[in-house]
Amino acid sequence: QKEVEQDPGPLSVPEGAIVSLNCTYSNSAFQYFMWYRQYSRKGPELLMYTYSSGNKEDGRFTAQVDKSSKYISLFIRDSQPSDSATYLCAMSIDYGGSQGNLIFGKGTKLSVKP
Amino acid sequence: DGGITQSPKYLFRKEGQNVTLSCEQNLNHDAMYWYRQDPGQGLRLIYYSQIVNDFQKGDIAEGYSVSREKKESFPLTVTSAQKNPTAFYLCASTQGSRGNTIYFGEGSWLTVV
Repeated sequence: QKEVEQDPGPLSVPEGAIVSLNCTYSNSAFQYFMWYRQYSRKGPELLMYTYSSGNKEDGRFTAQVDKSSKYISLFIRDSQPSDSATYLCAMSIDYGGSQGNLIFGKGTKLSVKP
Repeated sequence: DGGITQSPKYLFRKEGQNVTLSCEQNLNHDAMYWYRQDPGQGLRLIYYSQIVNDFQKGDIAEGYSVSREKKESFPLTVTSAQKNPTAFYLCASTQGSRGNTIYFGEGSWLTVV
């Protein structure tokens, strides 16, 4: 069983739809959870950062962490064509992954059609 | 502006050659990282460094070497021993204190010809 599982997609939705992206994980020691957005041929950019369980909202983006189910989600409301990208989940045991143990999902490719 | 600068953006290497990818950051971050990204494989850690003159192997260090002589610089050398070097290479850094996380450069594409 891989440490972090993420459906690679591709996921195609119409503009304005609510998008749900998910990752599951097996290591219960993970405490820090991140979502990155990566446009084609670019470096990933940090979207959301959460610690432990709960929800965090930033504009159209909401991150949820359910540690009991080992499941994290990213919701995008009112999706726009500019949201078309690959979304990577990442998680670590310590803060920020500074010990080199940041584990990434393989990414979900999202396409938002006008 | 503060950030992480990788160069070159695109690089072609002949088989048997060593090449060095540059990574510079002006964020005053302590820790720096190199990741490799292949299609459908996600990001894999090559090397990381938490402090000047010290670095640790990641999951796929074979065929790579690094140095950390200055806080702001963490170059990666892809040696001829790396059997499949064609990939997208990402440099990243973090302050490492609570509440911070890893930020990435724009990446370097290496192709073996």
